[in-house]
Amino acid sequence: KAGVTQTPRYLIKTRGQQVTLSCSPISGHRSVSWYQQTPGQGLQFLFEYFSETQRNKGNFPGRFSGRQFSNSRSEMNVSTLELGDSALYLCASSSGQAPSYEQYFGPGTRLTVT
Amino acid sequence: AQSVTQPDIHITVSEGASLELRCNYSYGATPYLFWYVQSPGQGLQLLLKYFSGDTLVQGIKGFEAEFKRSQSSFNLRKPSVHWSDAAEYFCAVARDRGSTLGRLYFGRGTQLTVWP
Repeated sequence: KAGVTQTPRYLIKTRGQQVTLSCSPISGHRSVSWYQQTPGQGLQFLFEYFSETQRNKGNFPGRFSGRQFSNSRSEMNVSTLELGDSALYLCASSSGQAPSYEQYFGPGTRLTVT
Repeated sequence: AQSVTQPDIHITVSEGASLELRCNYSYGATPYLFWYVQSPGQGLQLLLKYFSGDTLVQGIKGFEAEFKRSQSSFNLRKPSVHWSDAAEYFCAVARDRGSTLGRLYFGRGTQLTVWP
C-alpha cells in the first residue's frame, strides 16, 4: 500500500503571501490530520478532517484553514504568511474509526517564510 | 487537558547497550498511547501503539513499551541499540472519544545519540 504523500516537499514564500499544501492519505483512509512542527513549539495539532468535514481544530489563527475532498485528499492553506509560520507541516492519515486509531505520517512539507 | 512529558531531552548510549525512553501523560481515563520515531528531515514513523489489553506491547525494529496505569507512564525500551536507531523519539496520546481521536498530543521528544 502506498504511504501518505505530501506536496510540495519544500517551499519558500515571502511574508504576506499565501500557500497551499497538499496531502494524499493512504488508500481507504478517511481521516487526515495536520500538524505544525517547529523547534520552539514542537508538534502542534492544526486540524483534522474526516469524510470532508472538519472534526477537530487546534488553537491556530483563522489564517490557517483546510479542506478535504471526496477522495479524502486534503489541502491546507495559510494566508498572509508570517515569519513564524516557517515550519515543517506534517499530515497524518488514519481510518478515523475504531479500532484503528493510529495515524500514519507523510514526509512533511518544509515551509520557509522570508 | 492532555499533556505528555518526556523528561529526557537528549540521551546518549553506546551501540549494543539497552535503552529506555520515558514518557508520562496526564489524562483521567485510559488514553490511546503511541511512540513515533523521526529521522532528520523526515516524517514520523509509528513504532508501536497501546489501546487496551496486554500492557506490554511489541513494535517494529525490536522496540517494546509498557503501559503502567499507576504511574501514568508508557516507557519505550530496546534491549540492544543499533547505530541506525539514532533519531528523535516522540510519545503521543489520543483521547478515547470518537470525535477527538484524530488529535494527537505529543511530548517534546527525546533525541537519541548512539556511540559506535
